[in-house]
Amino acid sequence: DIQTTQSPSSLSASVGDRVTLTCRASQNIRSNLSWFQVKPGRAPKLLVYAASSLQSGVPSRFSGSGSGTDFTLTISSLQPEDFATYFCQQTYNTPFTFGQGTKLEIK
Amino acid sequence: QVQLQQSGPGLVKPSQTLSLTCVIAGDSVSSNSAAWNWVRQSPSRGLEWVGRTYYRSKWYNNYAVSVESRITIKPDTSNNQFSLQLNSVTPEDTAVYYCARESVVGKLDYWGQGTLVTVSS
Repeated sequence: DIQTTQSPSSLSASVGDRVTLTCRASQNIRSNLSWFQVKPGRAPKLLVYAASSLQSGVPSRFSGSGSGTDFTLTISSLQPEDFATYFCQQTYNTPFTFGQGTKLEIK
Repeated sequence: QVQLQQSGPGLVKPSQTLSLTCVIAGDSVSSNSAAWNWVRQSPSRGLEWVGRTYYRSKWYNNYAVSVESRITIKPDTSNNQFSLQLNSVTPEDTAVYYCARESVVGKLDYWGQGTLVTVSS
């Protein structure tokens, strides 16, 4: 199985900050990576797919980049509703493994 | 607009079978471009992709290694839905289970509401 490792595991930031989350795959997955936002009691929400394609309806302050093994999700200016846990998922081949998540908390 | 509606019991006894159904509205389980996935979430395991079914002139399945000896994901074309069966469950299978549509390869864009399944006697 392809392993995906996220860093950091948690992050404290303030409204208006720019934050970057990282995901690393254990082998080359080209651009086959998605990012999800998860809030308690709610289904995961797709933010970015194919490494850098913004899902319809997702605010433009979210952006994804990377290819191969190293990927990032950037939130350009944190809003109160962005405090949540973020997961990456490799979709290069099955099983579609998720990272362990980054919890974004209010400073 | 695609909607996925899950149903199934929230409590299953150890060694028994977990069964969940996901009814699809706004798309077809027999779509030649989509795939139909199950994902689970627990505090100990985070998000875990469990498996999927899809149709490309015939039916295919892919399963996570951790459950592949115990799992069946089946389409039901008559009712436009798909199901998850997980046999011989243990407390480790306690999780919130989600169904999700994969509209193109790797893009899980629509999700069901989630079902908390607790494995306990």
